Amino acid sequence: DVKVTQSSRYLVKRTGEKVFLECVQDMDHENMFWYRQDPGLGLRLIYFSYDVKMKEKGDIPEGYSVSREKKERFSLILESASTNQTSMYLCASSIKGWFDIQYFGAGTRLSVL
Amino acid sequence: AQSVTQPDIHITVSEGASLELRCNYSYGATPYLFWYVQSPGQGLQLLLKYFSGDTLVQGIKGFEAEFKRSQSSFNLRKPSVHWSDAAEYFCAVGINTGNQFYFGTGTSLTVIP
Repeated sequence: DVKVTQSSRYLVKRTGEKVFLECVQDMDHENMFWYRQDPGLGLRLIYFSYDVKMKEKGDIPEGYSVSREKKERFSLILESASTNQTSMYLCASSIKGWFDIQYFGAGTRLSVL
Repeated sequence: AQSVTQPDIHITVSEGASLELRCNYSYGATPYLFWYVQSPGQGLQLLLKYFSGDTLVQGIKGFEAEFKRSQSSFNLRKPSVHWSDAAEYFCAVGINTGNQFYFGTGTSLTVIP
C-alpha cells in the first residue's frame, strides 16, 4: 500500500513564526502536491512538484514556499505565519501527476494564533 | 469561469437507503473525472475514476458513478448506504488542455440509523 505520512497531525504556531510542514511518501512517486482544505472551499492547490528540485505554483501560492531535495520528501514552508493560514493542509503524491490517482496523507491541522 | 460544482453541501440519508451525490463541471473538453472520500480525521481516498470508455464506472465500497456528457455530470451512487459511509465526498475534474485540475467543494454525508 502507498503510504503518505505527514509529520504532524496538529500544530499551533504564533503569528510571524516560520513553519515547516513535512510530507514523506514511500512509493517512489514522481509527483507530490500540497493542498489547503477549508470549509466550503474544498481543496485548493498550493504547490506541486513533478521531480526533485522542481516545483510549480498552484492556485494559492502566496505566503508559501516548498522544498523537494529528495524524491520522497516534500516540505511546505510558511515563511511568516499569519492567522489567515490557519487551515487543514493535505499532502498527496501520484505516479503520473494530476490525471492519476492521488494518494493523500492524513493532514496537518495548523492553527496560527 | 470553469468550475466544478457539488450542489449539495450536506446530505442526510437513512442506513439502507439509496444515495446519489451530484457533481457538475463546466469545462468544454472531455475531462478526467474522480470521486474521493474523506472519512473523519483522514486524508482523501479514491473511490473511482473515469478517463474514457464505459460511462458507468464501478468503484470501491459498492459505489458507482455515471458520466453524462450531455449534462456535464458525474454523479456518484450507492444502492444501500451503510453507517460507515458517513464522510465527506469530493468530486474532482482534470482537463488535459491547459493542464487544469480542480476539486469540488465537497458534500458531507450523514447516515442515520
